[in-house]
Amino acid sequence: RKEVEQDPGPFNVPEGATVAFNCTYSNSASQSFFWYRQDCRKEPKLLMSVYSSGNEDGRFTAQLNRASQYISLLIRDSKLSDSATYLCVVNALGAGGGNKLTFGTGTQLKVEL
Amino acid sequence: GAGVSQSPRYKVAKRGQDVALRCDPISGHVSLFWYQQALGQGPEFLTYFQNEAQLDKSGLPSDRFFAERPEGSVSTLKIQRTQQEDSAVYLCASSSLRDSYEKLFFGSGTQLSVL
Repeated sequence: RKEVEQDPGPFNVPEGATVAFNCTYSNSASQSFFWYRQDCRKEPKLLMSVYSSGNEDGRFTAQLNRASQYISLLIRDSKLSDSATYLCVVNALGAGGGNKLTFGTGTQLKVEL
Repeated sequence: GAGVSQSPRYKVAKRGQDVALRCDPISGHVSLFWYQQALGQGPEFLTYFQNEAQLDKSGLPSDRFFAERPEGSVSTLKIQRTQQEDSAVYLCASSSLRDSYEKLFFGSGTQLSVL
């Protein structure tokens, strides 16, 4: 079983739609959680951190459920520019005591006119 | 520089050839990570440095892969006797204490093609 699992998609949605992505992780000792965005043939960039209390940044809302080991990302009022791959990232202590950020496979979103 | 710089941007190697990929992190960033990203997959962790110390190399797929960061700044990922399955984008990322070493800034990657 992969440490971080995501539905690869693609999710094809019309502009203005609301879309939600889910992610599950297997390491219960994971400490922190993130969503990264990766455009085609580009490097990943941090979209937002995910907190137990949930957090919102404009049209984006991220939530964490530690009991179920589940993370979600909600995008409201989708824009064409939201088309990208969304990577779920989980941080746990690695060998040597340092950070080990593990990425999911990513979920591809295509927003259409 | 303003961001993480990787070179070369593209590398074509014949099977069996040795390659060296360079990463120049953001100035002052203590942590440095190498990831391997195959087509259609998420980045897979290879190794992690804190300054010049390689704290975690659990993700290196074989002993053909070797990484170093001798002065705690520039890092080199070396792959010996390349195989076709090594073809992927190799991403380098750095982070700082200010971001609790968790927010990663990635370079553009080196796309390695082994023929």
